[in-house]
Amino acid sequence: AAGVIQSPRHLIKEKRETATLKCYPIPRHDTVYWYQQGPGQDPQFLISFYEKMQSDKGSIPDRFSAQQFSDYHSELNMSSLELGDSALYFCASSLEGGGTEAFFGQGTRLTVV
Amino acid sequence: AQTVTQSQPEMSVQEAETVTLSCTYDTSESNYYLFWYKQPPSRQMILVIRQEAYKQQNATENRFSVNFQKAAKSFSLKISDSQLGDTAMYFCAFMNLMYSGGGADGLTFGKGTHLIIQP
Repeated sequence: AAGVIQSPRHLIKEKRETATLKCYPIPRHDTVYWYQQGPGQDPQFLISFYEKMQSDKGSIPDRFSAQQFSDYHSELNMSSLELGDSALYFCASSLEGGGTEAFFGQGTRLTVV
Repeated sequence: AQTVTQSQPEMSVQEAETVTLSCTYDTSESNYYLFWYKQPPSRQMILVIRQEAYKQQNATENRFSVNFQKAAKSFSLKISDSQLGDTAMYFCAFMNLMYSGGGADGLTFGKGTHLIIQP
């Protein structure tokens, strides 16, 4: 069965650079979530989209932005990267919004040097 | 805002034993979902079990079951006949039910319990 696809799997950037993470949800899933998991930490909710509109916003820095496109894939744009942005970034998708099972991708490991 | 507390940073049991992981939460909402996720060393997040707050019956999935006490805001996970493959980080998570038919509130996770199954 198709799963949530995240790309790239690994990314190394320098401070103050920009990064774009991509998420391709499971086919027919209309909801996408982004989470950030620092080393040894629990995942922190960043932002979610339902039917291409922002649905909920968590602890997403102003330097980050995201959107969901017409084909339901989503991109997380991160600018002015800081060392503290180094983390595992998860995308998850679900059908018809909250409460249904959210399937997680394998994550993108971002390292800022 | 809701909070999720897991008071056991690490637990270790022998294979085939039964183990219970604790989770408490705080919310002013009445309609919500609770989840247990497993994160093995691969870092993949895997849903173990889900409980709707409006359901009184405790959810079960094979060897995994929960004890949901809504009044006490407690949601513990019991793993029966534990297996080596159960070794992982276990996160308890909360999600508000925003409204039916759509919308997507994010999950609030606890700090996790590192479960080690010894051979």
